[in-house]
Amino acid sequence: AQKVTQAQTEISVVEKEDVTLDCVYETRDTTYYLFWYKQPPSGELVFLIRRNSFDEQNEISGRYSWNFQKSTSSFNFTITASQVVDSAVYFCAHSQGGSEKLVFGKGMKLTVNP
Amino acid sequence: DGGITQSPKYLFRKEGQNVTLSCEQNLNHDAMYWYRQDPGQGLRLIYYSQIVNDFQKGDIAEGYSVSREKKESFPLTVTSAQKNPTAFYLCASSMMDRTGNNEQFFGPGTRLTVL
Repeated sequence: AQKVTQAQTEISVVEKEDVTLDCVYETRDTTYYLFWYKQPPSGELVFLIRRNSFDEQNEISGRYSWNFQKSTSSFNFTITASQVVDSAVYFCAHSQGGSEKLVFGKGMKLTVNP
Repeated sequence: DGGITQSPKYLFRKEGQNVTLSCEQNLNHDAMYWYRQDPGQGLRLIYYSQIVNDFQKGDIAEGYSVSREKKESFPLTVTSAQKNPTAFYLCASSMMDRTGNNEQFFGPGTRLTVL
């Protein structure tokens, strides 16, 4: 069965600090997809990234970067030079290849203080 | 504007009453989903639909029902059989194509409170 673990439940940092959000997944599939979503206080989830299991290249988008390592079943998310607007709950999720069903981790609440 | 709308934003219900949550999308997405979120928990899938007039149970379907009569609409009914309905409900939609596993886009959510 699929499982996504976000071991950190809550992190608090000061603005401009770098922060890494951990995500570990369990799957028996060879084809699968991993996602990160951001949930700001308004409640709506915002899609950040999708990565398939055959693409282990790291990705950078502005201050955001993602490190996918199949050897450790991890898909970690780093925010560089954090800002107050980054304060949100972040979810990692997994889906099997060919399935539209997402399995979410429990989320990690990030608070960035000025 | 393209997107997903959910109404109402806040909903209060007396115990024993059924209540229907609305979800509409104008993204021309084939697939739609309902999730439930409890404090400190991830999202859990209630029901999903990949095509009009068809839907499947998710992980926690008991006490809920859905319909998909139109591509744009996927209402969720929380019945009196749902033992602990107070939660935040999120609707989502996604494209369906041969690559599969497309990202889901979410609505703003409905917070349901049972009094």
